[in-house]
Amino acid sequence: QKEVEQNSGPLSVPEGAIASLNCTYSDRGSQSFFWYRQYSGKSPELIMFIYSNGDKEDGRFTAQLNKASQYVSLLIRDSQPSDSATYLCAVNPPTGGFKTIFGAGTRLFVKA
Amino acid sequence: NAGVTQTPKFRILKIGQSMTLQCTQDMNHNYMYWYRQDPGMGLKLIYYSVGAGITDKGEVPNGYNVSRSTTEDFPLRLELAAPSQTSVYFCGTRRGEDSYEQYFGPGTRLTVT
Repeated sequence: QKEVEQNSGPLSVPEGAIASLNCTYSDRGSQSFFWYRQYSGKSPELIMFIYSNGDKEDGRFTAQLNKASQYVSLLIRDSQPSDSATYLCAVNPPTGGFKTIFGAGTRLFVKA
Repeated sequence: NAGVTQTPKFRILKIGQSMTLQCTQDMNHNYMYWYRQDPGMGLKLIYYSVGAGITDKGEVPNGYNVSRSTTEDFPLRLELAAPSQTSVYFCGTRRGEDSYEQYFGPGTRLTVT
């Protein structure tokens, strides 16, 4: 089992819709969770992080964490063509606070 | 304030050649990382450093070496390049234990033929 799993996509949504990106992780003791956005040919940039169960909102982005189910998701409301990118889920395992494990990413296409 | 810089941007190596990928940061961050990203994949940690003079292996260290003599610089050395090392290499930094956000350089695209 991979440590961090994501559906590779592509996920295609129309402009203005809600995009829902999902991620599961294998280490039950993981404490911190991140979503990075990576445009084609560019480096990743952090857009959200979450530590506690529940929802965390920042503008059009909402991160959701369910530690019991080992599941973290990212919702993008009012999706725009500029949101088209690969979204990487990342997890800090409990044994190495300075290491981050990345998922393979989900490609999102927002159609105008 | 340049952030994280990487050189070169692109490089083609022949099998068996060696090279050093440079990474420099001006943010005074303690933690630095080297990742590789293969097509359609996430980032795999090669080596990391939590401060000058301290380095440790990540998930995929074979074929690579690092050093950290200063806070600013974290070069990655490839010895005896192999086609399996064809990838995009990203250098990342993080302020320290109290901060989780990683900042990345623009990447180096390496092809070994």
